[in-house]
Amino acid sequence: GAVVSQHPSRVICKSGTSVKIECRSLDFQATTMFWYRQFPKQSLMLMATSNEGSKATYEQGVEKDKFLINHASLTLSTLTVTSAHPEDSSFYICSAMRGWNTEAFFGQGTRLTVV
Amino acid sequence: ELKVEQNPLFLSMQEGKNYTIYCNYSTTSDRLYWYRQDPGKSLESLFVLLSNGAVKQEGRLMASLDTKARLSTLHITAAVHDLSATYFCAVDGSNFGNEKLTFGTGTRLTIIP
Repeated sequence: GAVVSQHPSRVICKSGTSVKIECRSLDFQATTMFWYRQFPKQSLMLMATSNEGSKATYEQGVEKDKFLINHASLTLSTLTVTSAHPEDSSFYICSAMRGWNTEAFFGQGTRLTVV
Repeated sequence: ELKVEQNPLFLSMQEGKNYTIYCNYSTTSDRLYWYRQDPGKSLESLFVLLSNGAVKQEGRLMASLDTKARLSTLHITAAVHDLSATYFCAVDGSNFGNEKLTFGTGTRLTIIP
């Protein structure tokens, strides 16, 4: 099966610092990757769609300058939370697709806590 | 805008009983997914339903899709404690030229011994 690895699984950072989360497709090339955010006891909310070699497409209400997404290769996308604040604390999950009309595979998630 | 609703939001049931979770969506889509999420974990794929009338079964879980009614069901047979988790359905926008998944609200299932 397709494996998507997300790192780190947990991170604690201080307010005002930046945190980078990596999402890697280990055994396939991912033309598209997605980043989601999940608050406790809520559903997943799509933040942005990331295509290799092009700028990410952000969902309405998501600050692109705060949540920087880079999809530098067909196996790696990164999400950087800049100048993090406690309200950015959440569970962040990535997913990756091989191509159009294929199933998305999810990473293990990253629990971000900003103190 | 595609909207996906699940009901019930919370479900507490006894071991050995049967129950069904419903997933309704607002616009045409031929692709529907069911996922399981355990506390503190990411999503585990359960079923991928790709056409009207599709039915898939794995163990005590069975999922079906009616694209005309815009409805999918996840049926649990003879529930066991291990099935306690939150279940999400999700629909993609491939009919509209995008691959984004829209998730349902989730159903938190608790199986009581």
